Amino acid sequence: DGGITQSPKYLFRKEGQNVTLSCEQNLNHDAMYWYRQDPGQGLRLIYYSQIVNDFQKGDIAEGYSVSREKKESFPLTVTSAQKNPTAFYLCASSSPRGGSYEQYFGPGTRLTVT
Amino acid sequence: KNEVEQSPQNLTAQEGEFITINCSYSVGISALHWLQQHPGGGIVSLFMLSSGKKKHGRLIATINIQEKHSSLHITASHPRDSAVYICAVRGNRGSTLGRLYFGRGTQLTVWP
Repeated sequence: DGGITQSPKYLFRKEGQNVTLSCEQNLNHDAMYWYRQDPGQGLRLIYYSQIVNDFQKGDIAEGYSVSREKKESFPLTVTSAQKNPTAFYLCASSSPRGGSYEQYFGPGTRLTVT
Repeated sequence: KNEVEQSPQNLTAQEGEFITINCSYSVGISALHWLQQHPGGGIVSLFMLSSGKKKHGRLIATINIQEKHSSLHITASHPRDSAVYICAVRGNRGSTLGRLYFGRGTQLTVWP
């Protein structure tokens, strides 16, 4: 079945450590996105990529880094520079084919940093 | 200021009641999405619309482009409808094309 996978579902790290969240899609979508969700707030865009080997900062990119070496993969690294990394992270993908940019979401990764 | 405002923030209903969730936005859009997020966190798309009205089962979504407002209605609500409902709009210009702006969500709880 086509879809987006994120792993792991739960992730625990010590403060000061970098951690990489995985996102893979087999929908053949060109665009991929990373969002952060905090209680009581809407999803906020961290980074997005509209094509392989290219990505742009979203609204809250500080303390995060990404790569897009393959169309199906868009890993997010939460660095030690991120002041408050504990959150729920969602990956999404979309394709502009046919004028539709409907986004499909992964199941998310809940990151806890102590 | 958030580009997308939803109301109410929390909503409690008895099974069978008619439910309305509202969404207002302030940016130019090419489409509006209604999303559903269950306690596990995964998000599914319920509707994507750019005009008029769409219906899927007991769910109805409407949009008024001139007033920059959309509503999500649930008829004959059921406890399994309990979830967070999120309104998101897709930008329509330049660098905003394709990206989504999200409301904070409405937590719906339906009691049996």
